Amino acid sequence: TQLLEQSPQFLSIQEGENLTVYCNSSSVFSSLQWYRQEPGEGPVLLVTVVTGGEVKKLKRLTFQFGDARKDSSLHITAAQPGDTGLYLCAGARQGAQKLVFGQGTRLTINP
Amino acid sequence: DTGVSQDPRHKITKRGQNVTFRCDPISEHNRLYWYRQTLGQGPEFLTYFQNEAQLEKSRLLSDRFSAERPKGSFSTLEIQRTEQGDSAMYLCASSLGTGLHNEQFFGPGTRLTVL
Repeated sequence: TQLLEQSPQFLSIQEGENLTVYCNSSSVFSSLQWYRQEPGEGPVLLVTVVTGGEVKKLKRLTFQFGDARKDSSLHITAAQPGDTGLYLCAGARQGAQKLVFGQGTRLTINP
Repeated sequence: DTGVSQDPRHKITKRGQNVTFRCDPISEHNRLYWYRQTLGQGPEFLTYFQNEAQLEKSRLLSDRFSAERPKGSFSTLEIQRTEQGDSAMYLCASSLGTGLHNEQFFGPGTRLTVL
């Protein structure tokens, strides 16, 4: 049973387009993190969101935490080939130290 | 470089052999985590340490797996009598114990292939 469901699992779009990746759960998380992972490398932390309704921006990337802290989204504006990679959401439940990961969204941006 | 480091980056072994991986966390981080990632999946938690104490182990960590962090700095993960199903990327992460939101920073991973 996947505690965090990401959608879509695969996404291939043209450079310049916008996209949104979703991370959903029936569980409440005290914090949620987004990572990007390149082939053969470890995940790199992009952002942490902790407050329901919180929105954080990182250049062309916008991250939102749901009001009930059960879901999150990542929106990329004007995608570039350098955005290509595996995007992972991961949540920490209240009082827990371990992260629970979604299965990832493999994003390909075509020039 | 002050990030998390892991050694080796790649390990190929034959079924039944023992392997040991090392992780060096970010120096001021007192929490250290091991995860396993198989192809097409997100990482799955294996175990974590606060300083030298192993505080949680996943059911994924069978009795063939053992992890140590003897001095509260680097950690080792040993797999005994490896099986083909152990083939995966083994990831180490560290975090500040006093960090508000448990932000975990990952190393590059050790890719294990069991033949």
